[in-house]
Amino acid sequence: EDQVTQSPEALRLQEGESSSLNCSYTVSGLRGLFWYRQDPGKGPEFLFTLYSAGEEKEKERLKATLTKKESFLHITAPKPEDSATYLCAVQQGGSEKLVFGKGTKLTVNP
Amino acid sequence: KAGVTQTPRYLIKTRGQQVTLSCSPISGHRSVSWYQQTPGQGLQFLFEYFSETQRNKGNFPGRFSGRQFSNSRSEMNVSTLELGDSALYLCASSFSGGPGETQYFGPGTRLLVL
Repeated sequence: EDQVTQSPEALRLQEGESSSLNCSYTVSGLRGLFWYRQDPGKGPEFLFTLYSAGEEKEKERLKATLTKKESFLHITAPKPEDSATYLCAVQQGGSEKLVFGKGTKLTVNP
Repeated sequence: KAGVTQTPRYLIKTRGQQVTLSCSPISGHRSVSWYQQTPGQGLQFLFEYFSETQRNKGNFPGRFSGRQFSNSRSEMNVSTLELGDSALYLCASSFSGGPGETQYFGPGTRLLVL
């Protein structure tokens, strides 16, 4: 069965303290790995899609990378406004559904 | 371009009642997926519709149903509500639901069952 595991469950950083979030997955025929950001009481906001091992994408202070078994979301010099829950999801070939991890709750203190 | 909209945003119901939630996808998007989000289980896939046809269904009881209209708007219905149905219900749209397509989420409907 498809499985997506995110770690850590929660991460507390000081402003400017860089770190990485992990998303490991077991799925056959990966069609895409997606990163979303979710603020309390809101729907997930799309960040990145990665399709194949070795691929990298960047947006402001965020950089997502993908290997055959996991993805990392690197946060460089985070700011308090980066505080949110970051969700990872995978899509398997032949299915439209996204399988989500439980998320990493990031708190950035000023 | 307007995003995915969901109505209502909040609902309070009692056990045994039924509820209908509505979702309007991004203009031009024809695939609509529904997810349930709870603190314990996270986001779980309910079903996906494309061109008024359900293409995929998650592991939820038959009390959960949905439909899609010719203008791609979608509704989901939950009958005989249980306390455990309290959750954030999220709708997501994509152009065709094809492999690797990004799904864009709405703000969700918060359902509380008393």
